[in-house]
Amino acid sequence: DQQVKQNSPSLSVQEGRISILNCDYTNSMFDYFLWYKKYPAEGPTFLISISSIKDKNEDGRFTVFLNKSAKHLSLHIVPSQPGDSAVYFCAASARGGTSYGKLTFGQGTILTVHP
Amino acid sequence: EPEVTQTPSHQVTQMGQEVILRCVPISNHLYFYWYRQILGQKVEFLVSFYNNEISEKSEIFDDQFSVERPDGSNFTLKIRSTKLEDSAMYFCASRGSGGEVTQYFGPGTRLLVL
Repeated sequence: DQQVKQNSPSLSVQEGRISILNCDYTNSMFDYFLWYKKYPAEGPTFLISISSIKDKNEDGRFTVFLNKSAKHLSLHIVPSQPGDSAVYFCAASARGGTSYGKLTFGQGTILTVHP
Repeated sequence: EPEVTQTPSHQVTQMGQEVILRCVPISNHLYFYWYRQILGQKVEFLVSFYNNEISEKSEIFDDQFSVERPDGSNFTLKIRSTKLEDSAMYFCASRGSGGEVTQYFGPGTRLLVL
């Protein structure tokens, strides 16, 4: 099941710079996208989401961009901080039908922010 | 801030034994989920539960698995006869009603089947 893909297993960024995490999807029924952050031995923590009717959503240092035609979304973190170091998961949901609420996750990207 | 809790944090069991993983979702949420993550792999959906019944389940969720909401607060996942390949982190999640899509996850239970 490769409906949601994060092709970069890891990303290393200097503190203060921008982190850009990417996610691609194949299922056209997905209409809501979420980013979660996960530390080792903890559950995923919700960060930010975007509905398919928008192309951008911003919350503080975090911005998510959605390109529906390319079936691509990205998470921008500006400025990056060492505390942002974690695994970031992209997840997608298809509202309606029998898939309402079920989240399909990407493989995750390990972000390391160096001081 | 309300949060999803899970017990136990770790469980070690022998193959063939039954395990029950417990979750307390956020109190006013109505939709409940179980996911699992095998070491090094994706977080995978297992089952969703609403209005005291399963609304969707994955092909992983076979007859060995069951879920229950025995009272107004707990949400449990039972694995009847554990297999080695059931070893994973199991996450419970919940979300509110209506158009709310965001799911809030618990800290997980690490299950090790020997």
